[in-house]
Amino acid sequence: AQSVTQLDSHVSVSEGTPVLLRCNYSSSYSPSLFWYVQHPNKGLQLLLKYTSAATLVKGINGFEAEFKKSETSFHLTKPSAHMSDAAEYFCVVSDQGLTGGGNKLTFGTGTQLKVEL
Amino acid sequence: NAGVTQTPKFRILKIGQSMTLQCTQDMNHNYMYWYRQDPGMGLKLIYYSVGAGITDKGEVPNGYNVSRSTTEDFPLRLELAAPSQTSVYFCASSLGRIYNSPLHFGNGTRLTVT
Repeated sequence: AQSVTQLDSHVSVSEGTPVLLRCNYSSSYSPSLFWYVQHPNKGLQLLLKYTSAATLVKGINGFEAEFKKSETSFHLTKPSAHMSDAAEYFCVVSDQGLTGGGNKLTFGTGTQLKVEL
Repeated sequence: NAGVTQTPKFRILKIGQSMTLQCTQDMNHNYMYWYRQDPGMGLKLIYYSVGAGITDKGEVPNGYNVSRSTTEDFPLRLELAAPSQTSVYFCASSLGRIYNSPLHFGNGTRLTVT
C-alpha cells in the first residue's frame, strides 16, 4: 500500500529566503513521486515528478526535490521564495495503476506556504 | 489552449436535489478522473474512466454516478445531494496508461449542500 505524509500543514517564510516543504512516503514498490501546486480557486498544477531516473529533480519556477530512498523522503526546496509562490503544495505518490489502467495517486494533506515581505 | 474545463464554478444545492458537474477536455486524453477535495484531507478519487464507454469506482464513489459517452466529456452526477457532499470537485485527465503520467486538472467546482 502507498501513503504519503506532509510533515507541515503550514510554512511561513520571508521573501528571498529558502523554502523547504517536507514529504515522507511509504510504498511497497518503486514509486513515482510528484509535487503539485494549487493557487487559490485554481486546479492543481504539476511542479515536478520523480520516476526513478535522477534523484535530484528540477521543476518549474525554480523548485527542485530530492528523492532519498533510505529516508523515504521527497522534500521540495527553492533557494529564494517569491511572493507568487504563496499557495498550497501537495506531495503525491504513485506505485501502481488503477484496475483497467490509469494512475492510482495518493495525495498528501497539503502544505500551505505563506510568503511575507 | 483550454485543457480541462469544468462548469459550473460554484453551486448551492438543497438536500435531496440533483445536479450534474460538467467536465470536458480537448487534449484527446483517454484517462479522466473525478476527485473531491476537503479541507486538510488531500484529494480523494471518486470515479475514473480509461476511455469512452468505460468507467470504474474510485475510493469514495457512494452518492455519485458518471458516464463517458465521448473521449472529451466526463460528467459527474449527484442524484440526492447530502451535506456530506459539500466539497470542491476536480476533474482531471492524463495521457498515458503508465502510472507516472502526470494529471492535468480543471479549476474545480465548489459545491455547497444545505
